[in-house]
Amino acid sequence: DGGITQSPKYLFRKEGQNVTLSCEQNLNHDAMYWYRQDPGQGLRLIYYSQIVNDFQKGDIAEGYSVSREKKESFPLTVTSAQKNPTAFYLCASSTSGQGIAKNIQYFGAGTRLSVL
Amino acid sequence: DQQVKQNSPSLSVQEGRISILNCDYTNSMFDYFLWYKKYPAEGPTFLISISSIKDKNEDGRFTVFLNKSAKHLSLHIVPSQPGDSAVYFCAASISNNAGNMLTFGGGTRLMVKP
Repeated sequence: DGGITQSPKYLFRKEGQNVTLSCEQNLNHDAMYWYRQDPGQGLRLIYYSQIVNDFQKGDIAEGYSVSREKKESFPLTVTSAQKNPTAFYLCASSTSGQGIAKNIQYFGAGTRLSVL
Repeated sequence: DQQVKQNSPSLSVQEGRISILNCDYTNSMFDYFLWYKKYPAEGPTFLISISSIKDKNEDGRFTVFLNKSAKHLSLHIVPSQPGDSAVYFCAASISNNAGNMLTFGGGTRLMVKP
């Protein structure tokens, strides 16, 4: 049963604490993405990775960090430098290469992060 | 600068009638467009897409229309059902862009009343 798994579903962060959101996919996709959604807003790109051991900043990367040590995994760390981390975080993946299929991203169920 | 805009934050439609969701874009380099549906506390699910070489794509009750000269696309749902109630996002990409990146609109909340 292929898909994208995000954990945990809910996460609470204390002041000054770093927290890590997990994203795992078994779709054999090369590219993975992290988005942030605020209430009533669209999705904004935090980081993306097209291949293992490589990633690029998106539109709102400040205060976040990622790693891509395995094709299946793309964890996101929300650091203490992110002053407004409360949001819904979404991970996605897609194939790479040529063809229109690479334009379609598939999403996990999301992690809701709140600050205590 | 929002390159993809959904100017209607919400839309209410009677069950059985047509729902029309609109999306405008500014970047003429976009050549592939997608619609996603999102329920609360869930990730978006891919619904339908269209390439810029077409002006219409249909999949069951869902049809997407693209007007390149107006930089406008719309999603038609006919007939609308209560289960269609969700937030709909349009997204755009540049196919030759190696980044596979999508630019999303702000979403439109559709409410289908029984």
